[in-house]
Amino acid sequence: DGGITQSPKYLFRKEGQNVTLSCEQNLNHDAMYWYRQDPGQGLRLIYYSQIVNDFQKGDIAEGYSVSREKKESFPLTVTSAQKNPTAFYLCASSIRGQGANYGYTFGSGTRLTVV
Amino acid sequence: AQTVTQSQPEMSVQEAETVTLSCTYDTSENNYYLFWYKQPPSRQMILVIRQEAYKQQNATENRFSVNFQKAAKSFSLKISDSQLGDTAMYFCAFMTDTSGTYKYIFGTGTRLKVLA
Repeated sequence: DGGITQSPKYLFRKEGQNVTLSCEQNLNHDAMYWYRQDPGQGLRLIYYSQIVNDFQKGDIAEGYSVSREKKESFPLTVTSAQKNPTAFYLCASSIRGQGANYGYTFGSGTRLTVV
Repeated sequence: AQTVTQSQPEMSVQEAETVTLSCTYDTSENNYYLFWYKQPPSRQMILVIRQEAYKQQNATENRFSVNFQKAAKSFSLKISDSQLGDTAMYFCAFMTDTSGTYKYIFGTGTRLKVLA
């Protein structure tokens, strides 16, 4: 079955550490996205990528980095510069361009906690 | 700037009854898309229903329907014959073309609890 796989489901980070969240899709979608979800704030866009080897900052990119070396993969690194990284992170993918208006497919998320 | 507002943080409904979730948005665009997503306790976002702004007819998907009022910038979701499995967070979302990219703006969500 086609879909998006996020791993790990739960992740714990110590102060000052970088951690990487994995996102893999087998839907043959060109576009991929990372969202952060906090209680009472909905979903906020961190980074997005329309094609391989290209990505753009979203609304809250500070303290995060991404790469898009393969169409199927869009990992997110939460760096030590992110002051409040504890949140739920959702990855999504879609058809590129106007096709995205049919909706995104979301992964099941990663819960990141700073300890 | 485009915004999406969901003014009901929490709602509850008895099983088999009907409930309406509210959503308003603000935009100067004429061509856009509106969505309702469901996030059950598993946390995976599931697309419930989609509406194209240029279509006057309200979208329906089985027990789910919308009341789209373009002039009022209102996009409410009606759930008929509520079921226990409808218990979830519901997010309203707006999408338009921003420099060739179609991105969402989400509301803050409404937590719906269906009571047995």
